[in-house]
Amino acid sequence: DAGVTQSPTHLIKTRGQQVTLRCSPKSGHDTVSWYQQALGQGPQFIFQYYEEEERQRGNFPDRFSGHQFPNYSSELNVNALLLGDSALYLCASTNYLGQSQETQYFGPGTRLLVL
Amino acid sequence: AQKVTQAQTEISVVEKEDVTLDCVYETRDTTYYLFWYKQPPSGELVFLIRRNSFDEQNEISGRYSWNFQKSTSSFNFTITASQVVDSAVYFCALSDYNAGGTSYGKLTFGQGTILTVHP
Repeated sequence: DAGVTQSPTHLIKTRGQQVTLRCSPKSGHDTVSWYQQALGQGPQFIFQYYEEEERQRGNFPDRFSGHQFPNYSSELNVNALLLGDSALYLCASTNYLGQSQETQYFGPGTRLLVL
Repeated sequence: AQKVTQAQTEISVVEKEDVTLDCVYETRDTTYYLFWYKQPPSGELVFLIRRNSFDEQNEISGRYSWNFQKSTSSFNFTITASQVVDSAVYFCALSDYNAGGTSYGKLTFGQGTILTVHP
């Protein structure tokens, strides 16, 4: 049973650049959420996608955008990178209407460093 | 707004000791779930336990147990007979129920408690 996968594992960018992070949900899951975790902090919710639409959004600027594909995989895009965007980006998946819908399962994350 | 507070920043114990991690939450929702996740140095958040707002029965699962008290908005987590492999950051989290919807949305996390178990 494949878990949540994310790519790349590590990424280094410079200020002003754009970045795309990718996530494949756990087998059988159709909902993907993205979280940002700064060093020493708890994860912060960015947004959630279901049926290729953004269903819920946290307190993040429009520079953060996403997409969900028909196969349920998802991308997180961040434009005009700032130093403060350096963090671990975590993807989580669940089944919107299924059993144990309340539990989100996380991937290994992508560590983004902005110089 | 939802809020989760983990007052213990770091805990250090010796192997085989029992350790309890504290969590206090705030929410206006009547339907919600509480979770504990473990984050080892690799970074991946590992789901440990969950409890819904309607079930205050405390349970034991292996070396893990939890104490959910709605009256004090607390959801404490205990590891019995700790092991070195338990060393990690532990997060308490609260989920909301999408208003008018049928699914649970975002998780609100606490700041985490760093647990170090010494041999």
